Amino acid sequence: KAGVTQTPRYLIKTRGQQVTLSCSPISGHRSVSWYQQTPGQGLQFLFEYFSETQRNKGNFPGRFSGRQFSNSRSEMNVSTLELGDSALYLCASSLDTQGYTFGSGTRLTVV
Amino acid sequence: GQQLNQSPQSMFIQEGEDVSMNCTSSSIFNTWLWYKQDPGEGPVLLIALYKAGELTSNGRLTAQFGITRKDSFLNISASIPSDVGIYFCAGDPGGTSYGKLTFGQGTILTVHP
Repeated sequence: KAGVTQTPRYLIKTRGQQVTLSCSPISGHRSVSWYQQTPGQGLQFLFEYFSETQRNKGNFPGRFSGRQFSNSRSEMNVSTLELGDSALYLCASSLDTQGYTFGSGTRLTVV
Repeated sequence: GQQLNQSPQSMFIQEGEDVSMNCTSSSIFNTWLWYKQDPGEGPVLLIALYKAGELTSNGRLTAQFGITRKDSFLNISASIPSDVGIYFCAGDPGGTSYGKLTFGQGTILTVHP
């Protein structure tokens, strides 16, 4: 069965712009979570959605937001981009919060 | 943000050798997960552990969930070149902390043929 699909794979944005990243979970998975991966901070939890509701949020500023649609697809948005937002953004989907499966990620570069 | 204490940070081994890495935490977790990440890709789940004391194998990989629920280890036996990559442990607190995995810093594994 298809895995977790993230689009786009690579993105270059300018400081101050905003960006939207997309994640399609494994069919049947209703939980989608997002992580930021950087060399300095490692993998950090951003937020988790289930049935279009945000159930948990990590310690990131309000510039980071997300949403989930009725088909479980999820998007995350970062507004007013900063250089420090350059990272690999990973999405993971899960069935009943066990065994999170990650996508290949979106590599965001802010210049 | 919080991270698990994962060691060693890196390992350089010869093909055929066994490898051991571990993670410790000051917090209790309901689930321990071990992932492998290749360059430019997302982490791939290797083993999931759901009960304290549980010992689980997946081919040449063996992992254990510590009795205190604050630690876990991963062993790789008879390493091969394709084992090269970064290995991460992750703890899932369970309960209402949905999807909120805490990750270790990673162990970079290099295997010399």
